[in-house]
Amino acid sequence: DAGITQSPRHKVTETGTPVTLRCHQTENHRYMYWYRQDPGHGLRLIHYSYGVKDTDKGEVSDGYSVSRSKTEDFLLTLESATSSQTSVYFCAISERTSGSNEQYFGPGTRLTVT
Amino acid sequence: GENVEQHPSTLSVQEGDSAVIKCTYSDSASNYFPWYKQELGKRPQLIIDIRSNVGEKKDQRIAVTLNKTAKHFSLHITETQPEDSAVYFCAASWTGNQFYFGTGTSLTVIP
Repeated sequence: DAGITQSPRHKVTETGTPVTLRCHQTENHRYMYWYRQDPGHGLRLIHYSYGVKDTDKGEVSDGYSVSRSKTEDFLLTLESATSSQTSVYFCAISERTSGSNEQYFGPGTRLTVT
Repeated sequence: GENVEQHPSTLSVQEGDSAVIKCTYSDSASNYFPWYKQELGKRPQLIIDIRSNVGEKKDQRIAVTLNKTAKHFSLHITETQPEDSAVYFCAASWTGNQFYFGTGTSLTVIP
C-alpha cells in the first residue's frame, strides 16, 4: 500500500460538534482527495487539493471544509456534525504525470454521528 | 459534471466462469478509466486502468475494454476464483483532478 495513513480510524461524535479528520502521506504526491462512501452511492468526492493551500470542491462539499498547509497533510473538518455525515471517509492521493494519474486510497475512517 | 453508471449492482458466478461489469459515462472529455476492487472492510485498490487512446488492456485474468464512441467501458474477469469476490468500482476522470465513481458491483464467486 502507498504511504497513506488516516486518523482517527474510528470516531463517534455527537450532533453539532466539530470533527477533524487527518490524512497523512509519505509519497510527496501533489494531489490529495477526500471521499465519503455510503451504501448505494459508491465513492463521492468531497474536496480535493492540487497543491499546498490549493483546494477545490467536489460533488458533496456542503458541510465540509479542508485545509492543506503542508504537502503531506490534508485535513477534513466537519464544522458542526450531522447524522447525515455518518459515513466511511477515505483519503486518496495521486501524482498526475504524462504516463499516469493513478489514485491510491488510505485505510479509511469510520465516523458515526449520534 | 460527469455521471458514471455501473451495472449490474450484484453478480454471482460459478468458480471458473467469466464475469463482466459494465460502466457508462456521460462526459466525452473523460480520458482515464480506472477500476478498483474493494474487499469487505478494506480500502479500494486499483486493479487495472485504461486511457482513452487505448481500446483494450489486459493483465493476466483481468481485462478492460473501452468504447469511446458509445461512452462505455467494461471489466472482464476470466477463470474466476473465490478470492475475486469483492465489490468492484469503475471511475472516470478527464483532468486527473476529479474522479467520478460508479455505485459498485458486488461480485460473488461460488466455489
